[in-house]
Amino acid sequence: LAKTTQPISMDSYEGQEVNITCSHNNIATNDYITWYQQFPSQGPRFIIQGYKTKVTNEVASLFIPADRKSSTLSLPRVSLSDTAVYYCLVGDIGSGANNLFFGTGTRLTVIP
Amino acid sequence: NAGVTQTPKFRVLKTGQSMTLLCAQDMNHEYMYWYRQDPGMGLRLIHYSVGEGTTAKGEVPDGYNVSRLKKQNFLLGLESAAPSQTSVYFCASSSDRRNTEAFFGQGTRLTVV
Repeated sequence: LAKTTQPISMDSYEGQEVNITCSHNNIATNDYITWYQQFPSQGPRFIIQGYKTKVTNEVASLFIPADRKSSTLSLPRVSLSDTAVYYCLVGDIGSGANNLFFGTGTRLTVIP
Repeated sequence: NAGVTQTPKFRVLKTGQSMTLLCAQDMNHEYMYWYRQDPGMGLRLIHYSVGEGTTAKGEVPDGYNVSRLKKQNFLLGLESAAPSQTSVYFCASSSDRRNTEAFFGQGTRLTVV
């Protein structure tokens, strides 16, 4: 499994763009990069997934450089409801269920 | 479409008691997982299953047993509960396709006194 490193916590004011970077130097060729969001007292929820370059959906964007050794989750114009823990996962759970490995995540606090 | 449903949502056990947590999914997923999450921590994998009738150990399997007799259900058992097993337990499921995502239940908050 590729180990991931992400900041423990981040603070941001409402309305700002937030970028959370995850390092995964040992990413394998078949690995995907997936981000989950977890609110207090809830299970994690899938946000976005990518393999290379840029992926965008209605919630976030995911930027992956050519070497794929890192990735950046971008949340545009955050609101108080975006306060949560964000997890970066690297692997392909379709090829092995033990690839769904969570670290400690990044605790994002949005300030009014 | 209920997704992933965990039963019960809350439970208080006395040390030494046993109990079973039930996870049910209605998405016909092959893979199912049990995690525990302690305060301020990430999720740690207890056991997982890649299909009906199969189970495997995760990161922290000691003190737990699991069974997957039916594809849609994944049971987590505590044979003799200990205070160290006080935690929030999450079940998840996913398909075996590439580029897939996992779906989580709402969690079971277990307190062992």
